Amino acid sequence: NAGVTQTPKFQVLKTGQSMTLQCAQDMNHNSMYWYRQDPGMGLRLIYYSASEGTTDKGEVPNGYNVSRLNKREFSLRLESAAPSQTSVYFCASSELDSTYNEQFFGPGTRLTVL
Amino acid sequence: KQEVTQIPAALSVPEGENLVLNCSFTDSAIYNLQWFRQDPGKGLTSLLLIQSSQREQTSGRLNASLDKSSGRSTLYIAASQPGDSATYLCAVPPPGGGADGLTFGKGTHLIIQP
Repeated sequence: NAGVTQTPKFQVLKTGQSMTLQCAQDMNHNSMYWYRQDPGMGLRLIYYSASEGTTDKGEVPNGYNVSRLNKREFSLRLESAAPSQTSVYFCASSELDSTYNEQFFGPGTRLTVL
Repeated sequence: KQEVTQIPAALSVPEGENLVLNCSFTDSAIYNLQWFRQDPGKGLTSLLLIQSSQREQTSGRLNASLDKSSGRSTLYIAASQPGDSATYLCAVPPPGGGADGLTFGKGTHLIIQP
């Protein structure tokens, strides 16, 4: 099993450009998540999808949109990239179980916005 | 709002020592707590998930404890090795459960000197 995979691994954008980060999991998990990691700020939740067909905002959703394409795939879109969105983006998945929702993370996408 | 704090922020010890990493959280109504390891430029690897009904969880040289009443968890690493050098993160799910994402501490950067 590949676990959680993310593409691309690295990306450089100019301000105003758009892009979509892709995430897929092969563990048959119901829930999927997008986080960003910034120095001094730690990991923060952008959006999550509790189950196929649902999405909800996290702590820092402004400037992003998401799509839960099917049970396996959850994409994150930047419509008009800004330098403040320079970060490392992680996708994660878990089984929807309140008492045991161990989250598994992908390798990350390192995004630079110039 | 849940807050997670990790102390110390950085730690450097000689190889072979036993060490303890600390994690505290402000809202004790959690179902579990998860410890992760992150190597430079890499994603997060789940080390241990300890449920609220457990007091301890062990994996190899790692032992995690959880005291909900005091809002604390510790990660004990026995007989440390240079390969243990990494950043260690603790994270908790939303108080009371739910599919929202985890709240993370900012991590402890650990260096094991050969």
